[in-house]
Amino acid sequence: GQQLNQSPQSMFIQEGEDVSMNCTSSSIFNTWLWYKQDPGEGPVLLIALYKAGELTSNGRLTAQFGITRKDSFLNISASIPSDVGIYFCAGSKSGNTPLVFGKGTRLSVIA
Amino acid sequence: EAGVVQSPRYKIIEKKQPVAFWCNPISGHNTLYWYLQNLGQGPELLIRYENEEAVDDSQLPKDRFSAERLKGVDSTLKIQPAELGDSAVYLCASSLETAGVYNEQFFGPGTRLTVL
Repeated sequence: GQQLNQSPQSMFIQEGEDVSMNCTSSSIFNTWLWYKQDPGEGPVLLIALYKAGELTSNGRLTAQFGITRKDSFLNISASIPSDVGIYFCAGSKSGNTPLVFGKGTRLSVIA
Repeated sequence: EAGVVQSPRYKIIEKKQPVAFWCNPISGHNTLYWYLQNLGQGPELLIRYENEEAVDDSQLPKDRFSAERLKGVDSTLKIQPAELGDSAVYLCASSLETAGVYNEQFFGPGTRLTVL
């Protein structure tokens, strides 16, 4: 099935560094979402974006909905060890259509 | 409030055996989803229920997979017979749907299936 193009695939960073990851699609989505998945758990929603150009923050996390509605990015500032996990972007075309996920960015934080 | 509950958490079976997964959604959530997550991939939708009706099952391999949601609450997903390629994590999610807008999906911890 369709999946979004998410990059990078993995990142190793030092504690305290900022992180940026992005997601692109060949088609338009009306909602962009960012999830985090810890080992042995299901994905947990971090940020939801509903309007093109929207910039939304959740603590140290900031995400933007691209103007073309075909991309989104997630930034994490001042990373800490508990940021370790897999981050997924997901897109929804409307309230009744299924989510399409990216392949994930695996983040490792070195203390 | 309890989240989405799934069982079993882990299952190891031999190929050609049947297997079933169970999901209890968040109380009051009318929409239930089953996703397949292969290693190194994001989740992919298998089937979506609105109450007890399957409204999107286009990605469900119907020759071996079946699902039901009796009374619009709990759901089971069955594979019979299982194949080696079915080894994956099966995630259940639920949401309270309002027409026309995105509604947050809450995911369970998943069932990790290993087929030997």
